[in-house]
Amino acid sequence: AQTVTQSQPEMSVQEAETVTLSCTYDTSESNYYLFWYKQPPSRQMILVIRQEAYKQQNATENRFSVNFQKAAKSFSLKISDSQLGDTAMYFCALDNNNDMRFGAGTRLTVKP
Amino acid sequence: EAGVAQSPRYKIIEKRQSVAFWCNPISGHATLYWYQQILGQGPKLLIQFQNNGVVDDSQLPKDRFSAERLKGVDSTLKIQPAKLEDSAVYLCASSPAQGPHRETQYFGPGTRLLVL
Repeated sequence: AQTVTQSQPEMSVQEAETVTLSCTYDTSESNYYLFWYKQPPSRQMILVIRQEAYKQQNATENRFSVNFQKAAKSFSLKISDSQLGDTAMYFCALDNNNDMRFGAGTRLTVKP
Repeated sequence: EAGVAQSPRYKIIEKRQSVAFWCNPISGHATLYWYQQILGQGPKLLIQFQNNGVVDDSQLPKDRFSAERLKGVDSTLKIQPAKLEDSAVYLCASSPAQGPHRETQYFGPGTRLLVL
């Protein structure tokens, strides 16, 4: 069975600082996709960043980057230069052959 | 490009009543998903359609939940009869099914259901 674990229910960071959100997963497959989604308060879920398991290079999207450790089944999200608009729930997700599993989420608060 | 549309945005019903949710995916997206997100948890996939066929409904409580996507575009999710534990946000998502980002899902705003 596929599982996704986010061990940090809540985190906070000062504006302009860097924060890292953790995610571990379990799957028996070798080819899959990993995602970080952001869900701002009372707003819809949007994609932050995606990683294909067969690619060794870590994905980056502007201030967002991942540390993908396939052997350790770890997929952390680093947010650099945090902004107030980054305040949201962040969900790690694993997609293996259209079987999508989400973690329980990490609530991130960016403080001014 | 218009996003995923869902209606209603909010719904309050009493237990044992019926309720239906509607979803219109992004134009051209062949794959449509319904998720249940209980407060404080991540979304849980209920059912996935590829065009108008069901790909996965293994986590759909079929004794009370049903879903259809008759023409391969819009979809409806129904709960009959509702229970208190069905209180949640119901999210619809769609993905292209083809192209370099075919597995990326785009989410609608959700329907927040409260069962009293």
